[in-house]
Formats: sequence, C-alpha cells, structure tokens
Amino acid sequence: QKEVEQDPGPLSVPEGAIVSLNCTYSNSAFQYFMWYRQYSRKGPELLMYTYSSGNKEDGRFTAQVDKSSKYISLFIRDSQPSDSATYLCAMRVPLGEAAGNKLTFGGGTRVLVKP
Amino acid sequence: EAGVTQFPSHSVIEKGQTVTLRCDPISGHDNLYWYRRVMGKEIKFLLHFVKESKQDESGMPNNRFLAERTGGTYSTLKVQPAELEDSGVYFCASSQDVRVADTQYFGPGTRLTVL
Repeated sequence: QKEVEQDPGPLSVPEGAIVSLNCTYSNSAFQYFMWYRQYSRKGPELLMYTYSSGNKEDGRFTAQVDKSSKYISLFIRDSQPSDSATYLCAMRVPLGEAAGNKLTFGGGTRVLVKP
Repeated sequence: EAGVTQFPSHSVIEKGQTVTLRCDPISGHDNLYWYRRVMGKEIKFLLHFVKESKQDESGMPNNRFLAERTGGTYSTLKVQPAELEDSGVYFCASSQDVRVADTQYFGPGTRLTVL
C-alpha cells in the first residue's frame, strides 16, 4: 500500500468552477503538508505549505488538513485555464526525526480547466 | 535570483552505458535533494546532501547510482551501468539551512531514457 494516495484524474472543469483535490495518507507521523503544481516538462512548484489541522488560504487557493482522518485537500476557486497542470500533494515528518527532510509525494492529479 | 538548474534536460542512452546528471542548486542553499519519477509512479526521494555530506541516502535504489556534491555546491548523479528500469525523470531540489526555512525548490528535471 502506498503511503500517500491521490486520484490521478484527469479532472476536467469549466473555467470559473471550483477545483477540489485531495490526498489520503497512512503514516500518522506526517505532520507537514504541501501542495505542488507541475506544468508539463517543468519541475514541481510549491503552492501551499501547512502543518496544522484546519484551513489555510492564499488567494484563490485553500488548503485543508484533517490529521484525525489523515486527509488533506486543496481547493482552487475561480479556476482559470492557466491552472491546468498536475497537482501533487507531498508530506513529511518533523525535521529532526529520521528522514525529516524527505518529501513523500502522491502520484499527482491532472487538472484541465476548459475555457 | 536563479532557480535550481539541471543539465542535461534530456538524455537518451543505451543499456549498459554511463550517464551523469548535474544539478546546480539555488545559491546559498545548504540542502540538496535528488528525487526520481519513473513512468506511472509517484516522485520518490533518492538522497539528501547537507553541504557536501550525505545526510540520507535511503532512497538510492542500488550501487549503480553514485551521487556527489564536492565542495558543497553543485551535485552530480551518475548511473553506471544504466538499466532499462532507470528511465524516468530525475529532479533535483534545494533548500536553505533548515533553521531558516525548509521549502524545497525543484529544478525542471532531467528526462533519462535508457534503450
């Protein structure tokens, strides 16, 4: 079983819709959670970084963490065609623990926002 | 400020040959990471340098892979001899001293094809 599960998609939405992405994980030691965006032939780019349960907003993006359910989400409001990309969740254990700097990724969800 | 750069962007070699990938981290970043994504799988951690020292190499698949970071600046990842299953995209990432910030910034990747 993978440590981090993420639906590969593709997820196709019309422009202006809300995009909802999520990941589940099995390792309760994960305490820090990230969402990366990756355009084709590019490297992953950090979008959101959270470490506590609850919501974090940054512009059109909202990251949600539920540690009790081992479930994280990313919501993109007012989606634009430029949001079309692969979205990757990533997580790690606290720094100072063994492998604390290592990121564990989900497989990524491909998102297509149609004009 | 220049981001993480990787060279080459794409390499096609035959099974049994040797390939060396190079990563130049963001200037001043002590931490350098190598990750790999093989077809259909998630991005997986290979190893982590702090300056010139290997902090964690738990993700290195076997002894055909050799990573170096002489002088604590750029890093190379050599695959010798290459096998078919080594094909994939190799990402490098860097981050500052973790006492300052631990966000990992990724390069565009090197796409390796072993024929």
